Amino acid sequence: EVQLVESGGGLVQPGGSLRLSCAASGFTFSSYWMSWVRQAPGKGLEWVANIKQDGSEKYYVDSVKGRFTISRDNAKNSLYLQMNSLRAEDTAVYYCARVRAVAGTLDYWGQGTLVTVSS
Amino acid sequence: DIVMTQSPDSLAVSLGERATINCKSSQSVLYSSNNKNYLAWYQQKPGQPPKLLIYWASTRESGVPDRFSGSGSGTDFTLTISSLQAEDVAVYYCQQYYSTQVTFGQGTRLEIK
Repeated sequence: EVQLVESGGGLVQPGGSLRLSCAASGFTFSSYWMSWVRQAPGKGLEWVANIKQDGSEKYYVDSVKGRFTISRDNAKNSLYLQMNSLRAEDTAVYYCARVRAVAGTLDYWGQGTLVTVSS
Repeated sequence: DIVMTQSPDSLAVSLGERATINCKSSQSVLYSSNNKNYLAWYQQKPGQPPKLLIYWASTRESGVPDRFSGSGSGTDFTLTISSLQAEDVAVYYCQQYYSTQVTFGQGTRLEIK
């Protein structure tokens, strides 16, 4: 059974940093692109970043470029999102999701971890 | 970036009736080399992560009831629920994956009338 479990969320002050983790199991993690998607309270979905199987390609939404870094450790079956210079508008539930091979859809999602940026 | 616009923002339909949600992309998401539309639909119920319903615009994900169907091509797409059930109350999102910059529609809230 495919499982994605996010961790690392919490309350952080504006300008602060946080590192999210996603532990993957039930599939060959190193064979899939992975994504982070976020959802602000009461709002819609916003894709944040993608990373290729070997980490050689990474893509970001414009609003986080230069502040967030997606990475992965295939030996640990883990995905990460390093978030720096956090802003109030980064407050959201952050989901880790698997990108289906061939089709670029997000076929499995974690339950999410809440990041709150507030003083 | 490709902008995805859904209509309506909210929708109330009687049980057993048809529900139709539209999605329009700011540019075509049809890839000519394989004739596939890079368009997916997701369902999100309160307190849950999104669930993939449809991909390639019209291919139903395994386990999704056949009352859900997707159609359209190029820039205009539709999600149809043929006979609304109580468990279909949710927010529905379209998503394009034609571009490396993935984008979602703003969501359509579906309720029971």
